[in-house]
Amino acid sequence: EAQVTQNPRYLITVTGKKLTVTCSQNMNHEYMSWYRQDPGLGLRQIYYSMNVEVTDKGDVPEGYKVSRKEKRNFPLILESPSPNQTSLYFCASKGTGRETQYFGPGTRLLVL
Amino acid sequence: DAKTTQPPSMDCAEGRAANLPCNHSTISGNEYVYWYRQIHSQGPQYIIHGLKNNETNEMASLIITEDRKSSTLILPHATLRDTAVYYCIVRSPMNTGFQKLVFGTGTRLLVSP
Repeated sequence: EAQVTQNPRYLITVTGKKLTVTCSQNMNHEYMSWYRQDPGLGLRQIYYSMNVEVTDKGDVPEGYKVSRKEKRNFPLILESPSPNQTSLYFCASKGTGRETQYFGPGTRLLVL
Repeated sequence: DAKTTQPPSMDCAEGRAANLPCNHSTISGNEYVYWYRQIHSQGPQYIIHGLKNNETNEMASLIITEDRKSSTLILPHATLRDTAVYYCIVRSPMNTGFQKLVFGTGTRLLVSP
């Protein structure tokens, strides 16, 4: 089944403790992206990647890092999480020449 | 990308057609209209997209006015599982290089028995 998976789905952590949210897709898509969703603000793009080793900032990249060493994986790294990064995070992927973006199930993060 | 305007909420009876409007009066000639939906904190799901012709797929129909300033998403026989927030997005086609989807506040559709 074609899908985007994220892990973990739920995470509670404390300020300053580094964490990684993994994202993997099995559709051989070139394009992957991370969004965060907050009440009243909609979905905002954090980072995106056009292909392996090609990443760029979205609208709200501060406090986040990403890497794209393999085509299928696009982890989101929070080096020193802060409470304002408490949010619902979505990973998405899309194939070149295709219109549809596929979203993962989401990761709900709480930073205390 | 053009801005869109949608009603904040709508109700629909199960089994009836749900018609969700979207205004995009500043749309430019090469911009497509996309519809996604999000069911209670799940990942957004693609529904349909179009440029100027009406489109239909297994999920819905998309009716775009001749002047392209507005469109309507039609769920022909709404079910309880169609309760979700529906997002109308207008953007340039993917071959311009930038892939970001800009989600507004959408329309919260409630389908009732």
